[in-house]
Amino acid sequence: GAVVSQHPSRVICKSGTSVKIECRSLDFQATTMFWYRQFPKQSLMLMATSNEGSKATYEQGVEKDKFLINHASLTLSTLTVTSAHPEDSSFYICSARLWQSNTEAFFGQGTRLTVV
Amino acid sequence: AQSVTQPDIHITVSEGASLELRCNYSYGATPYLFWYVQSPGQGLQLLLKYFSGDTLVQGIKGFEAEFKRSQSSFNLRKPSVHWSDAAEYFCAVEDTGRRALTFGSGTRLQVQP
Repeated sequence: GAVVSQHPSRVICKSGTSVKIECRSLDFQATTMFWYRQFPKQSLMLMATSNEGSKATYEQGVEKDKFLINHASLTLSTLTVTSAHPEDSSFYICSARLWQSNTEAFFGQGTRLTVV
Repeated sequence: AQSVTQPDIHITVSEGASLELRCNYSYGATPYLFWYVQSPGQGLQLLLKYFSGDTLVQGIKGFEAEFKRSQSSFNLRKPSVHWSDAAEYFCAVEDTGRRALTFGSGTRLQVQP
C-alpha cells in the first residue's frame, strides 16, 4: 500500500512555544490530507481537512489560529501547534487520500506531543 | 451526520478462539466502511474495506467483515485469534462528500495464552 510518513514521532516542547508536524505521502500524490487528534484511550477526532493549494477546513471547535495547517504541495502537509499548552498534549495523526474515489485513507505513524 | 458505534470497549479472548468485534453505523447513503487496527503508539493499519458489491469482505491477517444493511452493521471476524492480534480496533465510515472518516470509539482486544 501507499506510504505516509509523519515526523517527528515524538516531541516534547515547553509551554508557549510552537511545534511543527510534517506529513508526507512518499509514493503518491495526495490531493487531500486530514489531521486527526487522539487522546489516550480514545478514538480519533477529525481536526481539519487540507486540500493542496487551498485553505484548510477546520472542524467545529478546532481553533484555526492555534492549529495552523499548510498543504503547499501534493506530497506535504504540515500542522503547526502554536503557543502550545499542556492541554494540547495528545497524539496527532495525519492521513492522505488519492484523488480517486473508492480508495482507502493511508495513515502516518502519528506524533506524540507532550507540552511541559 | 454520520456516526459509528462500537459497543464493546474491551474484549478478551483466548488464543485460537474465534473473534467477533461489533460495529454499527449511521449514514444516510450507501456507506463506505473500514476496519483499522492500531498498536500502542502507532498509526493505523487498514484491515479491510467495503465500498460496494459482495457484502462479505476479506482482509489481511485472516480477518473478514460482513456488511449488513438491514442491521446497519459491519462486524469484524476472525476464526482463530493469534497473540499478535492484541491491539485496538477501529471501525470507520467515510463521509463520501468530504472523504473524511468518522471513527468508532474503538475496541481493545486482549489475547490470553
